[in-house]
Amino acid sequence: AQKVTQAQTEISVVEKEDVTLDCVYETRDTTYYLFWYKQPPSGELVFLIRRNSFDEQNEISGRYSWNFQKSTSSFNFTITASQVVDSAVYFCALSDMRYSTLTFGKGTMLLVSP
Amino acid sequence: DAGVIQSPRHEVTEMGQEVTLRCKPISGHNSLFWYRQTMMRGLELLIYFNNNVPIDDSGMPEDRFSAKMPNASFSTLKIQPSEPRDSAVYFCASSLGQGANVDTEAFFGQGTRLTVV
Repeated sequence: AQKVTQAQTEISVVEKEDVTLDCVYETRDTTYYLFWYKQPPSGELVFLIRRNSFDEQNEISGRYSWNFQKSTSSFNFTITASQVVDSAVYFCALSDMRYSTLTFGKGTMLLVSP
Repeated sequence: DAGVIQSPRHEVTEMGQEVTLRCKPISGHNSLFWYRQTMMRGLELLIYFNNNVPIDDSGMPEDRFSAKMPNASFSTLKIQPSEPRDSAVYFCASSLGQGANVDTEAFFGQGTRLTVV
């Protein structure tokens, strides 16, 4: 069975601070995908990144960066110089490579204050 | 592309009534998913279709729930009879293909917020 744990329920930061959202996963599969989705207050789920288990290279996209460490089963997400618009619930998710069904973590609510 | 389109956006119904939620996936996507989001259980998969065929419906809570995909561009999730505990946000998502060599990120619709009173 697959499991995703986001231990941080809620994080509050002040604008321009860096913040890291933690994600730990469990799976018996040797190959799999990891994802991050953003859910802003308007409620939609916005895809941010997909990573496959073959590729442990860290990735940077603007102010966003992701650190994938297979040895610790973690896929952490860092926002640099946070902005108020980053306020949202962020979900980490896992899928196997046979099907696209997602197992989500419980989410981390990020509140960025001006 | 317009993205995944769900209707209605909001639905309020009385306990015991039938509710039908609708979804139009992204054109060309051959996988479709229904997820439910509640405070207690978070986001959970209800059912997954591939090429219009249900592949995994183990997440469907009980016989009151049913889902169909009569063609590649339309799916429904029906609850009959509805109960207050079915109140949740229901998301439809679609993705392109399945397997390791195909882009498989799922794109979500805006969700249907269902309230059963």
